[in-house]
Amino acid sequence: GAVVSQHPSRVICKSGTSVKIECRSLDFQATTMFWYRQFPKQSLMLMATSNEGSKATYEQGVEKDKFLINHASLTLSTLTVTSAHPEDSSFYICSAGRPYEQYFGPGTRLTVT
Amino acid sequence: QQQVKQSPQSLIVQKGGISIINCAYENTAFDYFPWYQQFPGKGPALLIAIRPDVSEKKEGRFTISFNKSAKQFSLHIMDSQPGDSATYFCAASIGTGRRALTFGSGTRLQVQP
Repeated sequence: GAVVSQHPSRVICKSGTSVKIECRSLDFQATTMFWYRQFPKQSLMLMATSNEGSKATYEQGVEKDKFLINHASLTLSTLTVTSAHPEDSSFYICSAGRPYEQYFGPGTRLTVT
Repeated sequence: QQQVKQSPQSLIVQKGGISIINCAYENTAFDYFPWYQQFPGKGPALLIAIRPDVSEKKEGRFTISFNKSAKQFSLHIMDSQPGDSATYFCAASIGTGRRALTFGSGTRLQVQP
């Protein structure tokens, strides 16, 4: 299967600071990547669709000014959580798709203190 | 509105037994149905996927059964092993793996030795 990486795997930051999470497709090109959020013992919720070379598409209820997404190349998408607050603490997971499969990164655990 | 309903929420199976997880969908436009396995603190891993033009797909111990008329699909894990203990998510999307996925609520499987 294809490989999607995320960095960092775990980050702790103070309230009010910004955090950047990188998502890379290591062995295939992805014009579209997805960002999901997962709370403990819950399912994955789609936050936004990241499109290479254009603006991201955000799901209803997701603040685009808080969760900045940049899809700089065919293998890299970044999610920046701006002015993070404790309620932003969660598990953030990205994914990238090929024609018949979609692969997920290992996730980033964000803790805002 | 939950578009993919998954059951049961949790499942306990004896080693060597068959684990069965069911999903039902509402949107008839869905045409890609993957199953993911997730261990604690990890990203979801693609197990097996099916498209609606076939009624069954088998890969090793994992089988998807698909009933288009009933809008239901299920995952069967044969000869369940303790290492299969994880959370399983069904999902669906319109189009290919390059589209955003709608996830079921997840099933926590415990295989007892």
